[in-house]
Amino acid sequence: QVQLKESGPGLVQPSQTLSLTCTVSGFSLTSYNVHWVRQPTGKGLEWMGVIWTGGSTDYNSALKSRLSISRDTSKSQVFLKMNSLQTEDIATYYCARNYYYSAPFDYWGQGVMVTVSS
Amino acid sequence: DVVMTQTPVSLPVSLGGQASISCRSSQSLVHSNGNTYLHWYLQKPGQSPQLLIYRVSNRFSGVPDRFSGSGSGTDFTLKISRVEPEDLGDYYCLQSTHFPPTFGSGTKLEIK
Repeated sequence: QVQLKESGPGLVQPSQTLSLTCTVSGFSLTSYNVHWVRQPTGKGLEWMGVIWTGGSTDYNSALKSRLSISRDTSKSQVFLKMNSLQTEDIATYYCARNYYYSAPFDYWGQGVMVTVSS
Repeated sequence: DVVMTQTPVSLPVSLGGQASISCRSSQSLVHSNGNTYLHWYLQKPGQSPQLLIYRVSNRFSGVPDRFSGSGSGTDFTLKISRVEPEDLGDYYCLQSTHFPPTFGSGTKLEIK
């Protein structure tokens, strides 16, 4: 069945780089796009970026200078890297898939909580 | 970016009652291909969002028919009839007609 699972360190020091992995199963990264969405505790959802089936990427303009998304199709993994982390980046980070450009995000991972603290 | 305005912020309902959530967009969500990419999600406490309704009025697999979506252009509504305890949580609308995709700010459905 379709699964997405985020993994990565739950604690990052200020100004350091966040590295998360989304491991998927039940579908191919060359058939589905994978998006990253984050949610500060008690707040709403913010779209961060996407890696398209062809391997190209797009980012939220507010995060573009700090964010990088890549993938390893052979391992069914999508990677998120965001540098210069600050307390405003404390959130639960989700990966989610969609089938085509404007399709809804139909399956989501469970999310990974990230705290920024020294 | 398209701004999605959801109301109300909080919605107390009685079990067995009906709930209605509004989502308005800052510009029309009709795509050049004629489709409208407005979707609804429920996020239960401690869980990730789950898709309820896609493209305004289509229920996702396994979603009970107590959930219905309607609307057009810039004005959309999610209705929940015969509210059950499992329906409680935060509801979000999402538009993906225009890039980047943007979410509404959420509506918390809670017991009256």
